[in-house]
Amino acid sequence: EIVLTQSPGTLSLSPGKRATLSCRASQSVRSNYLAWYQQKPGQAPRLLMYDASTRATGIPDRFSGSGSGTDFTLAISSLEPEDFAVYYCQQYGSPPWTFGQGTKVEIK
Amino acid sequence: QVQLVQSGAEVKKPGSSVKVSCKASGGTFSSHSISWVRQAPGQGLEWMGDISPMFGTANYAQKFQGRITITADESTSTANMELSTLRSEDTAVYYCAREGMVHAPFFASWGQGTLVTVSS
Repeated sequence: EIVLTQSPGTLSLSPGKRATLSCRASQSVRSNYLAWYQQKPGQAPRLLMYDASTRATGIPDRFSGSGSGTDFTLAISSLEPEDFAVYYCQQYGSPPWTFGQGTKVEIK
Repeated sequence: QVQLVQSGAEVKKPGSSVKVSCKASGGTFSSHSISWVRQAPGQGLEWMGDISPMFGTANYAQKFQGRITITADESTSTANMELSTLRSEDTAVYYCAREGMVHAPFFASWGQGTLVTVSS
């Protein structure tokens, strides 16, 4: 089973700042099959990115994904008030599909 | 865009079973696998298993093998997840989620979640 480790656990930033979230896999993720989700309290997760760097439908271009192999990054170029949430990575290259433990982006 | 609507909250006794349903609308039900993902209070996301409605084949995370059954009914566009021998640690919100592309199990559509509380 591939273990995904996200860092940092919490990111405290002001609106307008750049956020950089990391997701590290315990082994190489086949074909960079990695997705990112955003979750707000009381809501289901929302798909942001798949195949490591492809934005899902309707996701603004301030969100970008990069990386390959075992190291992946989600960047938010300029934080909007609605971006403060918890973010999860998920690999779907090797079953069982697994999620990271999440990074909380909070308002500083 | 496919919409997934789940059944309502449940309160169960330890040792009992729970069945959660997930009805799809707005797309072709059989073409994409449906997964079940759970989230314990204040915790992260955990994949439990999935089913291909077209082929009726289910796959389960090893952690839940023997306790979980996922089924799909093409006639009603509904997927079901049954978890047995419940314990307090199974208290969680259970989500169904549909893969974003065929054979690509990232999750583009999610149900609203069903809270299952296990308590004596």
